[in-house]
Amino acid sequence: DGGITQSPKYLFRKEGQNVTLSCEQNLNHDAMYWYRQDPGQGLRLIYYSQIVNDFQKGDIAEGYSVSREKKESFPLTVTSAQKNPTAFYLCASSIGVGGEYSNQPQHFGDGTRLSIL
Amino acid sequence: GQNIDQPTEMTATEGAIVQINCTYQTSGFNGLFWYQQHAGEAPTFLSYNVLDGLEEKGRFSSFLSRSKGYSYLLLKELQMKDSASYLCAVKGVSGGYNKLIFGAGTRLAVHP
Repeated sequence: DGGITQSPKYLFRKEGQNVTLSCEQNLNHDAMYWYRQDPGQGLRLIYYSQIVNDFQKGDIAEGYSVSREKKESFPLTVTSAQKNPTAFYLCASSIGVGGEYSNQPQHFGDGTRLSIL
Repeated sequence: GQNIDQPTEMTATEGAIVQINCTYQTSGFNGLFWYQQHAGEAPTFLSYNVLDGLEEKGRFSSFLSRSKGYSYLLLKELQMKDSASYLCAVKGVSGGYNKLIFGAGTRLAVHP
């Protein structure tokens, strides 16, 4: 079955440590996204990528980095510069971003819950 | 600014009908999505509206009024498994690109 796989499901970070969250999709989607979800708030966009080897900052990119070397993969690194990383992280993908793809929904992975040790 | 408002929590009885409202103020409008999210799981797509009116899909319907910046999700014949959060998201324009702007979600509890 096609879908989006995020790993790990739970992750713990020590002070000063960088951690990387994995996101893989086999939907053949061009666009991929990373969101952060905090209690009582809507999903907030961290980074997105419309195509391989290209990505753009979202609303809360500080303290995070991404890469898009393959169409299927969009890993997110939470760096030590992110002072409040505890959250539920969701990866999503869609066929495209705008134009003829405006009505296409984003498909989400099951998320990674990151906590501080 | 860009803002999406929806009630924080709602409760309803199994077999009943519930309406979850969403009001929005965004830069640009390219459609409104509703997602369902069970605790600790991925949001799943329910519906999309871009024109005014009602879209019906089984037990779920979604309505849009662009002039009022208003949408609602109607759930009929409620089942216990409908207990979840319902996220309203508007595709607007920010920073020169299309983006989904999410509301905080409405947590629905269905009781027997």
